[in-house]
Amino acid sequence: GQQLNQSPQSMFIQEGEDVSMNCTSSSIFNTWLWYKQDPGEGPVLLIALYKAGELTSNGRLTAQFGITRKDSFLNISASIPSDVGIYFCAGRRIIQGAQKLVFGQGTRLTINP
Amino acid sequence: GAGVSQSPRYKVAKRGQDVALRCDPISGHVSLFWYQQALGQGPEFLTYFQNEAQLDKSGLPSDRFFAERPEGSVSTLKIQRTQQEDSAVYLCASSRLAGGGVDTDTQYFGPGTRLTVL
Repeated sequence: GQQLNQSPQSMFIQEGEDVSMNCTSSSIFNTWLWYKQDPGEGPVLLIALYKAGELTSNGRLTAQFGITRKDSFLNISASIPSDVGIYFCAGRRIIQGAQKLVFGQGTRLTINP
Repeated sequence: GAGVSQSPRYKVAKRGQDVALRCDPISGHVSLFWYQQALGQGPEFLTYFQNEAQLDKSGLPSDRFFAERPEGSVSTLKIQRTQQEDSAVYLCASSRLAGGGVDTDTQYFGPGTRLTVL
């Protein structure tokens, strides 16, 4: 099935470093979302972006909705151990009155203390 | 209030067996979604309900997959004659509003059911 192109697939960083990941698509989305998934749990929404060009922050997280509506990035500043997990981008569009989410393959973040 | 719950959390089935996976959405949520997440991949859409009506089942991989939500709350995803390629985590999500809702209508995910087919 369709998935977004998310990179990098994995990251190994030191605690305190900044992190950047991005997502691209060949098609346009109305909304871009970033989720975090911990082992054995479902994805949890971190940030939602609703307008092309929008830059939104949530604590140490910053995300942008690309101007072409085909891409988005997520930055995490000053990483801490609880940031470990898998991050997914998701594009949202409305098809026949129903919202559909298309997810990227995920970025697995590992932090060395 | 409680979030989305799913049961069982883990299911092991022999190839050819039928399985039923249950989802309890957040109370009052109109929309319910099922996703399949293969190992190392992002979730992929399977089907969508608005109350009891299944409005989109375009993501169901075969006619062995069947979902229902008879009273507009609890939903069951049934897989008949399971195959090894059905092994995955099955996630359920619910959102408060109907259809496309508004941009801010968030999908809340359950913890998933990990299905292993031997």
